[in-house]
Amino acid sequence: KNEVEQSPQNLTAQEGEFITINCSYSVGISALHWLQQHPGGGIVSLFMLSSGKKKHGRLIATINIQEKHSSLHITASHPRDSAVYICAVMPGAQKLVFGQGTRLTINP
Amino acid sequence: DAGITQSPRHKVTETGTPVTLRCHQTENHRYMYWYRQDPGHGLRLIHYSYGVKDTDKGEVSDGYSVSRSKTEDFLLTLESATSSQTSVYFCAISVPGELFFGEGSRLTVL
Repeated sequence: KNEVEQSPQNLTAQEGEFITINCSYSVGISALHWLQQHPGGGIVSLFMLSSGKKKHGRLIATINIQEKHSSLHITASHPRDSAVYICAVMPGAQKLVFGQGTRLTINP
Repeated sequence: DAGITQSPRHKVTETGTPVTLRCHQTENHRYMYWYRQDPGHGLRLIHYSYGVKDTDKGEVSDGYSVSRSKTEDFLLTLESATSSQTSVYFCAISVPGELFFGEGSRLTVL
C-alpha cells in the first residue's frame, strides 16, 4: 500500500464545476504540499499546509492532521486548470513522499 | 522559481554509456533533490543533498551517483545507462514553506 493515496486518479468535469481532489496518507507528517503539473510541463508548488486551510484565488486546500487527509478544491473550474495535481507529504525533515497524481480535465 | 535550471533538457543515449545531468541554482539554497518521474510511479527520490559534499540516497538510488562540489550545482550521473533509466528527471530545491522544481530532463536510453 502506498504511503500517499490520491483520489480520484482521473477526473473529467465541465467548465464551472466545483472540483475536489483528495489525498490520504498513512505516516505522521510535518507538512503536506499540493503541486500542479501541466502536460509536458514543469511542476509548480501550489500550497504547503501543516494545519487548517489555505486559499489562493480559486484554489483552496485543507488538511486534517488527525484524520491524515487533505483536500484540494477548485471553484469555478476553467479549462486552463487541466493538469495533474500531486499531493506530497513530508514525514521527516526535508524528505518527501509523493502520491501518484490526479489527472484533471476541464472541458469547455 | 529559485533560479533552477536543468541541463540537458533532452538527451538520447545508448545503453552502457555514461550520462550526467546538471541542476544549477542561483540562490545558495541548501537542500537539493533529484527525482525521476515514471508513469504509474509518480515522483521517486533518487538522491538528495543537504550541503556541499553532503549527499544521501533516496528510494531508487541504484545505478545513480551524485556530486555536489559547489552549493549551486548538483550533478546526477548514470555511470552506465540502462533502458530502465529512461525517464524524466526533475531537480528540486526545498526552502522553508516551499518547493521549487526544475523544468525536467527527458532521458531516453536506447
